[in-house]
Formats: sequence, structure tokens, C-alpha cells
Amino acid sequence: DAGVTQSPTHLIKTRGQQVTLRCSPKSGHDTVSWYQQALGQGPQFIFQYYEEEERQRGNFPDRFSGHQFPNYSSELNVNALLLGDSALYLCASSLLGGRDYGYTFGSGTRLTVV
Amino acid sequence: DAKTTQPNSMESNEEEPVHLPCNHSTISGTDYIHWYRQLPSQGPEYVIHGLTSNVNNRMASLAIAEDRKSSTLILHRATLRDAAVYYCILRDTNFGNEKLTFGTGTRLTIIP
Repeated sequence: DAGVTQSPTHLIKTRGQQVTLRCSPKSGHDTVSWYQQALGQGPQFIFQYYEEEERQRGNFPDRFSGHQFPNYSSELNVNALLLGDSALYLCASSLLGGRDYGYTFGSGTRLTVV
Repeated sequence: DAKTTQPNSMESNEEEPVHLPCNHSTISGTDYIHWYRQLPSQGPEYVIHGLTSNVNNRMASLAIAEDRKSSTLILHRATLRDAAVYYCILRDTNFGNEKLTFGTGTRLTIIP
């Protein structure tokens, strides 16, 4: 049973550029959340998608946007990249009705902005 | 969001039990206590969760204080593969607010 798949694994972008990160959730899961993890810190919640709608959002600017597709996969888009956006971006999937159970995380996309 | 407090780091000898503490004095009645761990170069991995009663699974045990203001993750026999950052998280089960709020966690080092 495949877990959460994220692509690409590593990415280098220049300041001001735009980036799209992709996530396929674990089979059977319908909800996708995105987290940003800076070096030495715990992951920070960006937003969560369910039924192709953004359900909940963390304290991130509008430069961060997302999308969920009918097959539950998701994209995270970041516009006008800043050096401070360099981080590990993690995707986590879950089943909305199964609130008692844990999220399944992918291994992340390491984004470096130069 | 209710906060948790954990020691920055802990060390334990291989094949001995490990007790990882967590304080959450502002926990609310709708908060579940979740533990995740993150191995190097990987995403966080779900370990265990509980509400009021102690819980056991194949990975670990979770002991919850009677007033729910603290909890302890117990690894019964640590191996080198248990070296990771362990996060104690309060997860609100109110509909629409199920995000995970991570702190900086406890970095567990296992000594061979």
C-alpha cells in the first residue's frame, strides 16, 4: 500500500520565481494538508484541503496557494519566492471522518531559494 | 492553540526503556494527545494517541496523567532505529480545526 508520495524530492529556485509542489495521498485518504519545516524547527501548518476546497489555513501569506484535484491529489504553489521560503515542504494525508487517527506524511520536498 | 512543553533532548542506552515527558497544562476537553516522531531525512511518523486512558500499540505506550495536564511516551526497549525527534501534539477534534501544531520536540539519542 503506497503511502504519501511527493514530487520533486529536491528543487532549487531563484528569488522571485514561482514553484509548484505535488502530493499524492495515501490510498483511501481524502484530505491533504501541507506543512513547512525550516531547519531545526518543527513543521508549521500551511493549509488543508478537502473536497477540493481549502478548509483551514495557517499563518502564511497569500503567496502560498493550493489546489486539490478530484482524485484527492494536491499541489502547493508559492509565488514570488523569498530566501526565507527555503525549507522542507511536507504533505500529510488523512481521512476526514477518521479524526481519531494519525496523519500519514510524505518524505517532503526540499526547496532551496537562491 | 494549546501548547506542549518537552525537553529539548534526551539520551538513553540501547535496549533500555525510554520515558519521554510532555506537559500540556492548557489542554481542553476536545484535545487528543498525539505523538509523532521524525527520523532523519523523513517526514513525521504517527506513533500513538490517546484521550484519557493509557494506550498501548506495537510501537509504544502512552501514559496520561489523571488530570490530563501531562503525558509520557514510553518506548519499552529502545533500539538505534528509535533515534529521532519526538513531538507531543494536542490535536483538536472539533470539526474544521484538526491541524497539528508542532513544537520543537525532543531529540532522542540512543547510545549503543
